[in-house]
Amino acid sequence: AQKVTQAQTEISVVEKEDVTLDCVYETRDTTYYLFWYKQPPSGELVFLIRRNSFDEQNEISGRYSWNFQKSTSSFNFTITASQVVDSAVYFCALSEEVNNAGNMLTFGGGTRLMVKP
Amino acid sequence: DAGVTQSPTHLIKTRGQQVTLRCSPKSGHDTVSWYQQALGQGPQFIFQYYEEEERQRGNFPDRFSGHQFPNYSSELNVNALLLGDSALYLCASSLDRVDTQYFGPGTRLTVL
Repeated sequence: AQKVTQAQTEISVVEKEDVTLDCVYETRDTTYYLFWYKQPPSGELVFLIRRNSFDEQNEISGRYSWNFQKSTSSFNFTITASQVVDSAVYFCALSEEVNNAGNMLTFGGGTRLMVKP
Repeated sequence: DAGVTQSPTHLIKTRGQQVTLRCSPKSGHDTVSWYQQALGQGPQFIFQYYEEEERQRGNFPDRFSGHQFPNYSSELNVNALLLGDSALYLCASSLDRVDTQYFGPGTRLTVL
């Protein structure tokens, strides 16, 4: 069974600070996908990134960066120079490739990030 | 290019009633998935529809059923509503059964 754990339920930082959101996952599959989604107060989940299990390269997109480490089953997300607009709930999610039957997402409990001016 | 749309935005029902939620996928997407998100928790997978058939199902009772139409839009039906069904219901669409899922704004259901 697949499982995603986001141990940090809430993080509060001051604007311009760097912040890292942790994500640890469990899966028995060798082929799987990891995701991060952002959920602002409006409620809609906004897709941020998708990585497959065979690509451990770190990725950077503007102020966002992701660190994928299979050895520790972690997929952490760092926001550099945080801004008030980054305030939201962030979800890490996992999907397994099960004979191309479908790609249900298993979500972690989310981390609420509050960026204060 | 319109994203995923859902209707209604909010809904209030009483215990025992039935409800139907609707979802239109992004243009070009043929797969629709439904999730339930209780307050303060992560979304939980309900089921996924592709080619008008339910392809994958999460751990939800038979009171939760769905349908996909030839234009790829989808409905989620919940019968015999319980107080615990109060949640944000999210619809997601994808290019196929394994591609990235893009979410709609959700329908907030309150059961009194």
